[in-house]
Amino acid sequence: QQPVQSPQAVILREGEDAVINCSSSKALYSVHWYRQKHGEAPVFLMILLKGGEQKGHDKISASFNEKKQQSSLYLTASQLSYSGTYFCGTEEPGAQKLVFGQGTRLTINP
Amino acid sequence: GAGVSQSPSNKVTEKGKDVELRCDPISGHTALYWYRQSLGQGLEFLIYFQGNSAPDKSGLPSDRFSAERTGGSVSTLTIQRTQQEDSAVYLCASSLGGGLSNQPQHFGDGTRLSIL
Repeated sequence: QQPVQSPQAVILREGEDAVINCSSSKALYSVHWYRQKHGEAPVFLMILLKGGEQKGHDKISASFNEKKQQSSLYLTASQLSYSGTYFCGTEEPGAQKLVFGQGTRLTINP
Repeated sequence: GAGVSQSPSNKVTEKGKDVELRCDPISGHTALYWYRQSLGQGLEFLIYFQGNSAPDKSGLPSDRFSAERTGGSVSTLTIQRTQQEDSAVYLCASSLGGGLSNQPQHFGDGTRLSIL
């Protein structure tokens, strides 16, 4: 079953923060985050495993709450280069595949 | 090094024709995935290969869709008797395999398929 992402779209000014949420009705083993710019291939950001871990990469970080079956992606002090559509992909135990959400379109304006 | 390569990058064909899409994964990647992305939509899982076998074909929309992988490398996705609703970007991704938990997927640029 497809995870639900929220919000569907967000517009920010450069330097502002954003949070993108990913919620599943299924028990999850891992959550993956990707960013896709218009007309390009999705690019890997990070993987979070069950255990409630958090990860960070530069000013982009994420958390995974396996009990709530939710993950959140945090973008701080956003840069113009952060613009794009963000997808979460969820892995159920034993599934060996990702089910992607519908995406969150992030627009960063100067 | 070389990334995931897909060909053709664009394909326009008439309704009812068969099409074949090709994916060359990153060398050494044993896992290969096919996705479909309709305009402005998310990534729809089609099929997953581990080596040459396909443990999960659950995402193939109909029996007009089939895929194979040979030599643990190149994969082809074939769509027979194409319909207009098949129009989409078809993305291929590969990963090292051995489980998704710590293996990112590397995507190709996709094949944009248009059915007239």
